[in-house]
Amino acid sequence: AQSVTQLDSQVPVFEEAPVELRCNYSSSVSVYLFWYVQYPNQGLQLLLKYLSGSTLVKGINGFEAEFNKSQTSFHLRKPSVHISDTAEYFCAVRSNDYKLSFGAGTTVTVRA
Amino acid sequence: SAVISQKPSRDICQRGTSLTIQCQVDSQVTMMFWYRQQPGQSLTLIATANQGSEATYESGFVIDKFPISRPNLTFSTLTVSNMSPEDSSIYLCSVEVNEQFFGPGTRLTVL
Repeated sequence: AQSVTQLDSQVPVFEEAPVELRCNYSSSVSVYLFWYVQYPNQGLQLLLKYLSGSTLVKGINGFEAEFNKSQTSFHLRKPSVHISDTAEYFCAVRSNDYKLSFGAGTTVTVRA
Repeated sequence: SAVISQKPSRDICQRGTSLTIQCQVDSQVTMMFWYRQQPGQSLTLIATANQGSEATYESGFVIDKFPISRPNLTFSTLTVSNMSPEDSSIYLCSVEVNEQFFGPGTRLTVL
């Protein structure tokens, strides 16, 4: 069985400040990890993914995440956020049959 | 990549009725999934709808309540049957094409 825990339900942050969203996973098989973003009243968009290879993954909009096997974590970071980064962020783990299990989500609110 | 459309985008329904949600993909894909996102919640997988086989449902979801059709490689429907207010959610379809692409969702409100 696979599961994801997002440790922060809400993250308020000032514009141009850095942000880190924490995600821990549990999986008994190969690990495939994803971060999705959901802007208000929109669908889900893939930010980045880890399938194999380099543990530092770069995604769209300046986001990056680091896969840490020993800590079973896949934290998402951005060095400087914009107002437009206000959204819901979901961490997800994929099973071998391509099913996604999502975390509870983290609401990021960027303030001027 | 894949571009997915869903119909309707939103609906308000009376309890006891049924609603069929359509999912259309711009390319042929084998693997398709249906998710539910309850208000303020994360996404939960309802079922896998691969063309050529019966849909497989996750724990807590049954075919009588959520019948699914997958007549070809570009289309699927999810029906929410005998609705109650607890079925008020966003329903999303997704497809696997090297990564999982999601439709815009159908926002359902049951009164």
